[in-house]
Amino acid sequence: DVKVTQSSRYLVKRTGEKVFLECVQDMDHENMFWYRQDPGLGLRLIYFSYDVKMKEKGDIPEGYSVSREKKERFSLILESASTNQTSMYLCASSGTSGRETQYFGPGTRLLVL
Amino acid sequence: GDSVTQMEGPVTLSEEAFLTINCTYTATGYPSLFWYVQYPGEGLQLLLKATKADDKGSNKGFEATYRKETTSFHLEKGSVQVSDSAVYFCALTLPRGDDKIIFGKGTRLHILP
Repeated sequence: DVKVTQSSRYLVKRTGEKVFLECVQDMDHENMFWYRQDPGLGLRLIYFSYDVKMKEKGDIPEGYSVSREKKERFSLILESASTNQTSMYLCASSGTSGRETQYFGPGTRLLVL
Repeated sequence: GDSVTQMEGPVTLSEEAFLTINCTYTATGYPSLFWYVQYPGEGLQLLLKATKADDKGSNKGFEATYRKETTSFHLEKGSVQVSDSAVYFCALTLPRGDDKIIFGKGTRLHILP
């Protein structure tokens, strides 16, 4: 079974802190994705990556950056956390056929005070 | 642009009731269609999928048929259980090389015993 793990289930940070969210997948998938999930807004894509050291902006990249130094790991970085970044963050991975299922991690619920 | 529209929730049903959650899409080309489910406190997981017109996806008693003529992929189950309480997301991908998923906003389902 595909496994996608996220470093934390719950995080509490203060405004202005730099926050790292880590995601690791064990299926040698090329594609990895970061979403945030908010009530009434569904899932919104923040960034995605097709390959090591490659990244593409999603729909809401402002205030975020990403890093993909190894194929299995995709990190989301909040350079200076703000209260409007309080959310559920979901990581996913997939293969590259164009019709692939995305496999999701359990999510990180981030609270920024 | 490409989009997915699904019925707003919450949907509340009694156990053993018949379930339909409507989903329609707008897409250029020939999308693959998915239903994902998110149980409380968890990430999303694939429930079923269909990759071409008239295909029927099925899993755990749920079914959905890819209807190209009506651009729909409605989710159905003949007899729901309390354990089906979750948020259901309709989604599509296009074989255009970026492997992004376009999600609907999700429908929360409550099943009463």
